[in-house]
Order: sequence, then C-alpha cells, then structure tokens
Amino acid sequence: DAKTTQPTSMDCAEGRAANLPCNHSTISGNEYVYWYRQIHSQGPQYIIHGLKNNETNEMASLIITEDRKSSTLILPHATLRDTAVYYCIVRFDNFNKFYFGSGTKLNVKP
Amino acid sequence: DSGVTQTPKHLITATGQRVTLRCSPRSGDLSVYWYQQSLDQGLQFLIQYYNGEERAKGNILERFSAQQFPDLHSELNLSSLELGDSALYFCASSLAYSDGYTFGSGTRLTVV
Repeated sequence: DAKTTQPTSMDCAEGRAANLPCNHSTISGNEYVYWYRQIHSQGPQYIIHGLKNNETNEMASLIITEDRKSSTLILPHATLRDTAVYYCIVRFDNFNKFYFGSGTKLNVKP
Repeated sequence: DSGVTQTPKHLITATGQRVTLRCSPRSGDLSVYWYQQSLDQGLQFLIQYYNGEERAKGNILERFSAQQFPDLHSELNLSSLELGDSALYFCASSLAYSDGYTFGSGTRLTVV
C-alpha cells in the first residue's frame, strides 16, 4: 500500500470549514483514497473514499488532485463533535487491509 | 450502534494469564478484522478472517491467535499476557469485498 503523509495536528474554528490535507505521491492507478476518523478512543468511523473523481456525502467532501498525488478532506461546517484523529489511507482494492498511519488530530475550537 | 458487537468492553487481568475477546460482526458481513491500539499508538492490523478462514496476518504475536466460527463471530485469544499487551482491541467487519469497514467499540484490556 502506498504511504500517506498528513500533518500531525490542525485547528479549526467551530462553524468554519475544516480542510485536511493528505499526500500520497506514490499512489498507483488502482489505489483508492479512504478517510476514517477516530473520536477519542472509539472505534474508527468510515467517512468517505474515492479513486479519481471528487466525492461528496452527508459527512464530507473529498477532493483528489488530477495527478492523484494528494487529496483534501473537507468538513464544510465543523462542530465540536468533529474533534478527532483523521486518517488518510490508500488501498489497492477491496482485498487489502486498511493500514492506519498516525493521522491528523483535528481540534475544533469554539 | 455500529452493528459490530465486542465483548467484554473492559478486561483487567494479571500477567501470564490468558483471555478471550469476542466479536460479533454486522449482520451479513463475512469478513472480520482485528486491530490493536496501544496507548497513544496507531491502529495495528493483527489478522483477518473471511467466512471462517484466515485470509491475512499482520503484526500478530505468536502468543495471540484467532478464529472465526460458523456463525461468523470471531474470538481473539491472548495468552501469556505481558504488561505491554495492555491496549484497545478493535474488531471490524465488512461484506465479502466491500468498500469500508465497520468497527466495533473495542475491548480495553489492562494487564497488571
């Protein structure tokens, strides 16, 4: 699996958009980009995933650059409950396991 | 409630002992995955089962073993426990080969 690089931590004001970057410069053509988050010590929660096109769901948007070497997870209106560690993971296909890196600790502040 | 049930939620035991952690996957899911998360550490993949068969191994110690039963629930057995085995143990499940995992709420193991 390709490795990912994420900032260790980020701050965001409540109500503002949170933009979490991820670099995956060694990603191959068939690898998907996944985002999970872990709130405190709860089980990780799936957020969104994509291959080439930008994706949006009720939780977030995923923007993948045209060369696919980086992506950004966007939480449009961050709330205090979005404070969590966010993991960016690349995965070859559905047969492979998810390997979690260190993630980004997002602190949403009032 | 994610649909993945892990029991017990908390477990305290002494060094050298053996424990069994249980996971019931979400209804319809055939794959079960086990992860370990030590204090301030990332999630480490341990092992995967699919429909009763072992499919992949990660950083699982020889003192640890797992199995998936015909009803698809899974058990993770940890033996000769050491202080360093204290961690959160998460189980996740997925459809055969699906997009994402659904994680349980974890079992917090404390070895004293």
